[in-house]
Amino acid sequence: EVDLVESGGGSVQPGRSLRLSCVTSGFTFGDYAINWVRQAPGKGLEWVGFIRSKAHGGTAEYAASLKGRFTILREDSRRTAYLQMNGLKIEDAGVYYCTRDERFFNLLTRSEYYVTDVWGHGTTVTVSS
Amino acid sequence: QAVVTQDSSVTVSPGGTVTLTCGSSTGAVTIEHYPHWSQQKPGQAPKTLIYHTASKHSWTPDRFSGSLLGGKAALTLSGAQPDDEADYYCLLSYGDTRVFGGGTKLTVL
Repeated sequence: EVDLVESGGGSVQPGRSLRLSCVTSGFTFGDYAINWVRQAPGKGLEWVGFIRSKAHGGTAEYAASLKGRFTILREDSRRTAYLQMNGLKIEDAGVYYCTRDERFFNLLTRSEYYVTDVWGHGTTVTVSS
Repeated sequence: QAVVTQDSSVTVSPGGTVTLTCGSSTGAVTIEHYPHWSQQKPGQAPKTLIYHTASKHSWTPDRFSGSLLGGKAALTLSGAQPDDEADYYCLLSYGDTRVFGGGTKLTVL
């Protein structure tokens, strides 16, 4: 069974750093991209970013508002993806989810696209002084 | 950054049909925005029901379908059940980045 389990959430002061983990099982981790989504308390979903599989470069893309503070990494040997969050702000508080994304290639437009299927359970980040 | 718009709330009667829509500030939504629709019930993680405009995952109930309608992505629920009461989020891709809509709260009443 495919499963993704986030961890590393907790309470942190503004300006500090936190690293979230997304530990996976039930599938060949190296074949997939991993995506991060967050949800502030009582609010909607916000796309954070994703990291490609190593076969497709292993590079990451981010929401413009978060670029520079957040970094997504992956460690295929541990079947784990990470979200490194630096300079945390009050507005970064919320539940953070990782998802499994499968890559496809559009032959007409010569561009890649991703399909999200399974979501993790989420981990909660609190930012407070 | 593009803004993705959804109706904030919609009500449907049990057994009824309802269509939720998802628009883009950049213009018409096309298949190359690869629209996804996800369902989130209170206290639960979201679950993706529809991807690439109209494709369903194995767990997606048949009563849900996706399409493009009038320049927007659309999620149609035919034969609404009380268990379908949830928040529904649209996700559009813009090249390497993605943007969620604000979500639609669906009430089955």
